[in-house]
Amino acid sequence: QSVLTQPPSAFGTPGQRVTISCSGSSSNIGSNPVYWYQQVPGTAPKLLIYRNNQRPSGVPDRFSGSKSGTSASLAISGLRSEDEADYYCAAWDDGLSAWVFGGGTKLTVL
Amino acid sequence: EVQLVESGGGLVQPGRSLKVSCTASGFTFGDYPMGWVRQAPGKGLEWVGFIRSNGYGGTTDYAASVKGRFTISRDDSKSIAYLQMNSLQTDDTAVYYCTRGGSGWDVVLYWGQGTLVTVSP
Repeated sequence: QSVLTQPPSAFGTPGQRVTISCSGSSSNIGSNPVYWYQQVPGTAPKLLIYRNNQRPSGVPDRFSGSKSGTSASLAISGLRSEDEADYYCAAWDDGLSAWVFGGGTKLTVL
Repeated sequence: EVQLVESGGGLVQPGRSLKVSCTASGFTFGDYPMGWVRQAPGKGLEWVGFIRSNGYGGTTDYAASVKGRFTISRDDSKSIAYLQMNSLQTDDTAVYYCTRGGSGWDVVLYWGQGTLVTVSP
């Protein structure tokens, strides 16, 4: 059971906008920034969003992050087939003194 | 360009030990926290632990599942981070990714390609 809760799956069609949620608590998302990672099957994860809504250089602006209270969301607009991947949220948990991940969301582009 | 290259994975029997390494390049190694994340076959990501830079005391934090069995260390002169794994169990079987952080809350920013550790009789 992951400390952060994500839906196991999400679906979208090319060009569509999809959002993936991440729910936590006051000891993690409620008090620390959220990070998002993309993992294409068979490859290492890659940082997608850091500090709630910042994109590393090279990440398209189709990807955006937001946070409100103890929840966060990743939005992907203009969905493309290459966005098909697993997406993970993460944050520092003050109570556990540990970095915690969500269980991951498998995004399928129909 | 930040590069992290893991090595030392392989097959090990339950109860034995294994040490994996992460050789870094493309940045001033000593300035950044280094860590490890693992992924069991077909499962999600699990944080293992990290070591802060010596400027922040070089202290470590670990996931509860590995605390007391795993130890993370660093050799800044060689730009290498280590993960010493003792008393290995079958459910420690996973790809182990080396990670680099940044400042403040940025615990995991960059990832290596991973090394597979298989614990089996």
